Amino acid sequence: GAGVSQSPRYKVAKRGQDVALRCDPISGHVSLFWYQQALGQGPEFLTYFQNEAQLDKSGLPSDRFFAERPEGSVSTLKIQRTQQEDSAVYLCASSPNPGTGVSYTFGSGTRLTVV
Amino acid sequence: DAKTTQPPSMDCAEGRAANLPCNHSTISGNEYVYWYRQIHSQGPQYIIHGLKNNETNEMASLIITEDRKSSTLILPHATLRDTAVYYCLGAGYNFNKFYFGSGTKLNVKP
Repeated sequence: GAGVSQSPRYKVAKRGQDVALRCDPISGHVSLFWYQQALGQGPEFLTYFQNEAQLDKSGLPSDRFFAERPEGSVSTLKIQRTQQEDSAVYLCASSPNPGTGVSYTFGSGTRLTVV
Repeated sequence: DAKTTQPPSMDCAEGRAANLPCNHSTISGNEYVYWYRQIHSQGPQYIIHGLKNNETNEMASLIITEDRKSSTLILPHATLRDTAVYYCLGAGYNFNKFYFGSGTKLNVKP
């Protein structure tokens, strides 16, 4: 597609529920990132994929968070047993290849509200 | 990756140039300076990036000081649609993550 697509756009989950957030990167993009953005804050890094390999997951806040990109294209961020502090916008970004000098394209995000 | 410092907010009159400063005194020689902006309810949008030389594109100009400790993003003729949070980011050659910080909230006023 023309841009990075994320779905759903909004998600309301009951506390304790599992959720799955989807990211469709730009076709052919090698690098894929997930960021978490709390209200009024800048985005914070969660995890990074190069093709299907998860090269950095240092930003995942707990073992309830899991991300995958099995075929090197679509990625899913899964949050188990959601808590209120998980409420945030989850942003996905992709770029054609790794390395600096390359701009990243972000999706519009999924706004997760845990009630 | 270099951490950056930006003022929390700035005002600019519509049609005038908006000059957004950024301090990145810890930036290393191979780290690029990136600028992104985020309009309400949207994902961050790439604006421009540079290493040593000043850069210009259809959106903005980037002026980097000779010592590379600071830079200025210039929007030559700000419009109301430029109202957004602007982030200055530093990233090295093998970077795999951006540190966004809190950015500068630019308010363009009629």
